[in-house]
Amino acid sequence: EPEVTQTPSHQVTQMGQEVILRCVPISNHLYFYWYRQILGQKVEFLVSFYNNEISEKSEIFDDQFSVERPDGSNFTLKIRSTKLEDSAMYFCASRGYRDGGEKLFFGSGTQLSVL
Amino acid sequence: GQQVMQIPQYQHVQEGEDFTTYCNSSTTLSNIQWYKQRPGGHPVFLIQLVKSGEVKKQKRLTFQFGEAKKNSSLHITATQTTDVGTYFCAGKTSYDKVIFGPGTSLSVIP
Repeated sequence: EPEVTQTPSHQVTQMGQEVILRCVPISNHLYFYWYRQILGQKVEFLVSFYNNEISEKSEIFDDQFSVERPDGSNFTLKIRSTKLEDSAMYFCASRGYRDGGEKLFFGSGTQLSVL
Repeated sequence: GQQVMQIPQYQHVQEGEDFTTYCNSSTTLSNIQWYKQRPGGHPVFLIQLVKSGEVKKQKRLTFQFGEAKKNSSLHITATQTTDVGTYFCAGKTSYDKVIFGPGTSLSVIP
């Protein structure tokens, strides 16, 4: 089965630093998402992205966060000035079509630790 | 805001026993999806329900979508150790926003 790939698998950063989390969605997918999961807790929606713009975002996705699809394959999440509470597993997801199946394919995640 | 709730939070069962998790939304959903996350893993899609009152089966798993499209359930018959993990329902609440419930963590005692 095709896979969503995420890099790095682990990222350690100092509070206040910028981080970029990278994702390569499945090649023919058009809809892209970022979720995060704090250890043992729920999977929280951050943002959805389609046609090179944000479709929806949550209250968590404030001005410190941004997303970009810089080329035809990558989808990135940038956190400009990390806070301790940004420590979490960040999952990228993609899906291929709007009607009928809306199955989300998740990557293996990037574990972000902010010190 | 829109919320998707699940109960129970945790469930410990003896292998061979049945298991059910319940999902409830504060608003009507256009569809509901179920995902399984193994310990240390990522969510993996199990199924999507779209129609009011819909019931779908996958081997030992039975999924239901309520008539009002605000609640759903997942029932596993005769659990096995391979069923261990956290089961999340996820509801599409608006144009392109899929909200996950808090999940039910299933432990199976051999």
